[in-house]
Amino acid sequence: DAKTTQPPSMDCAEGRAANLPCNHSTISGNEYVYWYRQIHSQGPQYIIHGLKNNETNEMASLIITEDRKSSTLILPHATLRDTAVYYCILLPYSGAGSYQLTFGKGTKLSVIP
Amino acid sequence: ETGVTQTPRHLVMGMTNKKSLKCEQHLGHNAMYWYKQSAKKPLELMFVYSLEERVENNSVPSRFSPECPNSSHLFLHLHTLQPEDSALYLCASSQAGAKGETQYFGPGTRLLVL
Repeated sequence: DAKTTQPPSMDCAEGRAANLPCNHSTISGNEYVYWYRQIHSQGPQYIIHGLKNNETNEMASLIITEDRKSSTLILPHATLRDTAVYYCILLPYSGAGSYQLTFGKGTKLSVIP
Repeated sequence: ETGVTQTPRHLVMGMTNKKSLKCEQHLGHNAMYWYKQSAKKPLELMFVYSLEERVENNSVPSRFSPECPNSSHLFLHLHTLQPEDSALYLCASSQAGAKGETQYFGPGTRLLVL
């Protein structure tokens, strides 16, 4: 069972910021928050990950609450190409490879013209 | 582009055929993975290779046979498949042992078994 909870779907107007929430109230101290997305019938695409500090890269920003029980993925200027299913997952750092990714149902983001 | 390529992108095969899926990663990683994704099931890990050694085999039927000749290439050999094996087969790679290990996926091979 996935350890994260996400809304099943969201809409966002093109050009606006898309804010995708994720709850992970049982997160362990050594677990990272990872975000992937999957456009229909394509391979999952890595977006960003973080431990406890906020992170930003060329694709998105990740805001993690101080208690680490929830996070928000922010796509600053959503485009039609950002329409996809977004997955929030937790991965422990074991030092020897985390191996299996387990995706929940994710959030289907629809960017509307 | 993710740096992980897969061929073919689409494959239709009969139950008596033998075919192979190929994956190549250009990221300098030392671990590679095969996943299966079907419409009604979540992502399923099939095989993991780390430093060219198989480290995990999640009870996959013997009609699927992996091969990892070097750290950049991974194959999945298929024989006498069943229609229920129709799915999207995904290859991924990562740098095993790196802090916050991230798996990067290829585009997948869409397999249809008739």
